Order: sequence, then structure tokens, then C-alpha cells
Amino acid sequence: KQEVTQIPAALSVPEGENLVLNCSFTDSAIYNLQWFRQDPGKGLTSLLLIQSSQREQTSGRLNASLDKSSGRSTLYIAASQPGDSATYLCAVRPNDYKLSFGAGTTVTVRA
Amino acid sequence: SAVISQKPSRDICQRGTSLTIQCQVDSQVTMMFWYRQQPGQSLTLIATANQGSEATYESGFVIDKFPISRPNLTFSTLTVSNMSPEDSSIYLCSVEGGRALGSFGPGTRLTVL
Repeated sequence: KQEVTQIPAALSVPEGENLVLNCSFTDSAIYNLQWFRQDPGKGLTSLLLIQSSQREQTSGRLNASLDKSSGRSTLYIAASQPGDSATYLCAVRPNDYKLSFGAGTTVTVRA
Repeated sequence: SAVISQKPSRDICQRGTSLTIQCQVDSQVTMMFWYRQQPGQSLTLIATANQGSEATYESGFVIDKFPISRPNLTFSTLTVSNMSPEDSSIYLCSVEGGRALGSFGPGTRLTVL
């Protein structure tokens, strides 16, 4: 059974600092990995999707890396802003498309 | 990406009643899934909604409690039956295939008193 772990569980930083969010998974037989953002009481917004054959994916201030063999992914958010405050979820997708989620990292960016 | 809507967006229900949640997608999709997010927890897959056949349930979830329908490639319903306070959660539908990849609906926030 796939286990997905996210560290840290919570993070508080001053505005402008870079954020590093970690995700690890136990079964490397994945199709791809996806990072989501969730605002309180809301649904999920997809941020980045990395195919198993890729090493990283970038979108604006966001960069996600994937080391499939070691079962790790890292989400970097450059120059954080208060609007980045949210919970960030990592999910791995096997061939049957059933996502396994981590518990999330709750980020607070202080103005 | 696909646009997904859910109804209702939230509801407060009495113990012992049932609630049906609808998920509508703006394009045909291959797969539809239902997830549950209990308070302070991450998402857990309830079942895969199969078009024209019975849903496939994950361990710990049963059809009598969470009946699911999927009459076509753009629509599905999840019913939470005989509710108890432990069913208070956000319920989300997700789609894969077509223009969708890991697209989620906005969720239905359910509170059971």
C-alpha cells in the first residue's frame, strides 16, 4: 500500500522567504506525482504535475522536483507572498489513476 | 482542463438522513472518483464511479453506505446514507481522461448534527 508523507506539517515564514516543501512515498511504481493547493474549506487547485520520467517541472515561482528512485519530491516556492498561505498537498498517481495523498503542509506567510 | 461543478456546495443534515451529492463535468471523461476529507485530515478515496456499472469501492467503504451512480461520461452522484456525525466531511469528485488530469470539483461540505 502506498504511503505518502509530507514534512513539515506546518511552516511559517516571513514574506519574501523561499519555501521548501517535502514529500516522500514508499512505492516508486508511480505514473506521475501532482502537487495541489487547498485553501481553508475549499477544493483542490492543481499546481504542478510531474511525469515519472521527468526530473522537474516549473510554473512561475513554483518548481517541483522528482526523484522517483528514492521516492521523493520537493516543491519550491520562490519569494513567498501572503497569498501563498494555504495547505499544499502531494499526491502520487499509479497506473490505475487512484491518487494517494499526503497529509499536507500548512503554510503561513507573514506580511 | 475540465470544469467540474458539485451540488450542493454545503449542507447541514440530521442524523439518520441521506444526502445525494452531484458532480457535473463540462466534457466527457474516462474516470470519475469520489474522495472524502474528514476534518483536519487528507483526502481518502471512497470509490471509482464506473459508467454503466457498479462502482468500485476502496477498503472500508461499502455500497450500502455510499451508493454511487454514473449514468453517462459527464455526471455522477454520491449518496451518503443513514448519516452520523462521523460522516461530517468535505466530499470531492475528481476526474481523469479527456481534458482532465487530476481535476477536482470544489467539494461539498457536509455537517451532520
